[in-house]
Amino acid sequence: GNSVTQMEGPVTLSEEAFLTINCTYTATGYPSLFWYVQYPGEGLQLLLKATKADDKGSNKGFEATYRKETTSFHLEKGSVQVSDSAVYFCALSGGSNYKLTFGKGTLLTVNP
Amino acid sequence: SQTIHQWPATLVQPVGSPLSLECTVEGTSNPNLYWYRQAAGRGLQLLFYSVGIGQISSEVPQNLSASRPQDRQFILSSKKLLLSDSGFYLCAWTVAGGSGNTIYFGEGSWLTVV
Repeated sequence: GNSVTQMEGPVTLSEEAFLTINCTYTATGYPSLFWYVQYPGEGLQLLLKATKADDKGSNKGFEATYRKETTSFHLEKGSVQVSDSAVYFCALSGGSNYKLTFGKGTLLTVNP
Repeated sequence: SQTIHQWPATLVQPVGSPLSLECTVEGTSNPNLYWYRQAAGRGLQLLFYSVGIGQISSEVPQNLSASRPQDRQFILSSKKLLLSDSGFYLCAWTVAGGSGNTIYFGEGSWLTVV
């Protein structure tokens, strides 16, 4: 079956530091890949997505590239802000019913 | 544009009491609908999904049930809540074949069973 593995948190960074959150997946076929963000006390918001190999998703300074050869979709941001503090979930969607399979989430805390 | 709403946002229920969480989607038709649960300190678990009115698939055996009485309405229920039902419940939707299969989430409902 499908599975997503993302780096364990928590991750604590200083403002303006570089961020990488690793995500690898196992899936049959050609899944779509997503990063969702959950701010404290809120639901999940789509951060970015990629639907085929070598696609790069980007939003709000975050980027992730769909690497089929390494089955990875690592999240990066060049300079984090305090407002980026949240839980980040990597996910894939595959199969006829578009069910999402999530990683366990990575808590990011950015200190001023 | 499409929107999704779920309610109530927060509730505290005693063990053994019933539960009803509602979710509606606006601005689309025939969506796939999903209920996820996020337990404290854990990831997201898919509980139910529906591809049409009256069609419910359960992903895990549990104390909960789901119903889809209308095209854009999805209800999560329980006849008797357990302590282990506490968590953050998220409704979600997508349109088959659209937007790269992107799934969009509601605001979530915090359930505390006491």
